[in-house]
Amino acid sequence: DAGITQSPRHKVTETGTPVTLRCHQTENHRYMYWYRQDPGHGLRLIHYSYGVKDTDKGEVSDGYSVSRSKTEDFLLTLESATSSQTSVYFCAISVEGSNEKLFFGSGTQLSVL
Amino acid sequence: SQQGEEDPQALSIQEGENATMNCSYKTSINNLQWYRQNSGRGLVHLILIRSNEREKHSGRLRVTLDTSKKSSSLLITASRAADTASYFCAPYSGAGSYQLTFGKGTKLSVIP
Repeated sequence: DAGITQSPRHKVTETGTPVTLRCHQTENHRYMYWYRQDPGHGLRLIHYSYGVKDTDKGEVSDGYSVSRSKTEDFLLTLESATSSQTSVYFCAISVEGSNEKLFFGSGTQLSVL
Repeated sequence: SQQGEEDPQALSIQEGENATMNCSYKTSINNLQWYRQNSGRGLVHLILIRSNEREKHSGRLRVTLDTSKKSSSLLITASRAADTASYFCAPYSGAGSYQLTFGKGTKLSVIP
């Protein structure tokens, strides 16, 4: 699993509250990603990072922000959660020298009520 | 980045049969990757095929790539119940950011 830990694994929150999801890796890889997975949409890229403090938007970045102050941690924040952000969130890393192969975390199930 | 489109959306077969799923994409690629996702889990990388390769094997998996048709296929031979999962393709353009996007996948059910 390339040493990826996502926390929390499950979260239930209310509309309008801020939520932060954490992705932690133990192997010092440069590239990290946040995806969301919804029925009928597959996996969609939210944000990604190519180094400390270097991040960029994916295809569904509205309503999300990210931060990467340390190589090992990539945080995804929903500033004011909405019901449309109920989803399963996956963190992934790519391993340089591994031909762009991604390794995924186990996911965070987020429910916004 | 570009998204692959898997076909069929769902496939149900008997154990021991072969399963074939297809992927189409729109622009030129550096490589194309296939991933498996078991229910409730993250995606797991299965195999990568480069744009200059036509066929690649890994155990019971066989992947083909036709860059002229912008399509790939994944064949699982002698399927097992444990192969029940969703399968995703990810075409990679090699634009430098290592960004991969995924389609909706093919949901494979292998009936014992």
